[in-house]
Amino acid sequence: AQRVTQPEKLLSVFKGAPVELKCNYSYSGSPELFWYVQYSRQRLQLLLRHISRESIKGFTADLNKGETSFHLKKPFAQEEDSAMYYCALSGYGGATNKLIFGTGTLLAVQP
Amino acid sequence: SQTIHQWPATLVQPVGSPLSLECTVEGTSNPNLYWYRQAAGRGLQLLFYSVGIGQISSEVPQNLSASRPQDRQFILSSKKLLLSDSGFYLCAWSVVGGGNTGELFFGEGSRLTVL
Repeated sequence: AQRVTQPEKLLSVFKGAPVELKCNYSYSGSPELFWYVQYSRQRLQLLLRHISRESIKGFTADLNKGETSFHLKKPFAQEEDSAMYYCALSGYGGATNKLIFGTGTLLAVQP
Repeated sequence: SQTIHQWPATLVQPVGSPLSLECTVEGTSNPNLYWYRQAAGRGLQLLFYSVGIGQISSEVPQNLSASRPQDRQFILSSKKLLLSDSGFYLCAWSVVGGGNTGELFFGEGSRLTVL
């Protein structure tokens, strides 16, 4: 069965420290992986997708098919990075974008 | 530009009462539409999705139903609410066809508390 696991409910770091939000997935085919973010009092929104191989707001994520992981990383955390982060998997293809989400990790960046 | 609206933003209902949450999308045609529920410690669970008017697919068996009476309108309903229906409900839409990047665009959400 398709599944996304985010083992950490809360990750607290100091400003300037490196950040790694963990995400592991279970899927038998070729998945598409995404990171979504929800800042305080804002809507859930796309942060980045693995297929784009892009860096957004200093964040990057590499799909590791061998380890079935898609960890989100940033070398130097900023206070404005504090938010809820969700890893998501889309493996259905076809006409819909049915995403399976993890349980989310709350990132708290301390000054 | 495209926008998505959900209402009501907050709802407190007694057990056994009916429910209607509404979602509308503006600025696009024939979107795919989705209802997700966010419950504490359980992430986002896909409840329903729709690829067109009157076409509803249910992902999990439950006390809820969905309808799409118009192209850009998606309604989440229940005839009799249960305590377990409490949660934060999110409507989302996505592009169909060549412009599809896999991204979902979410509404602001509706918080339902069943007492």
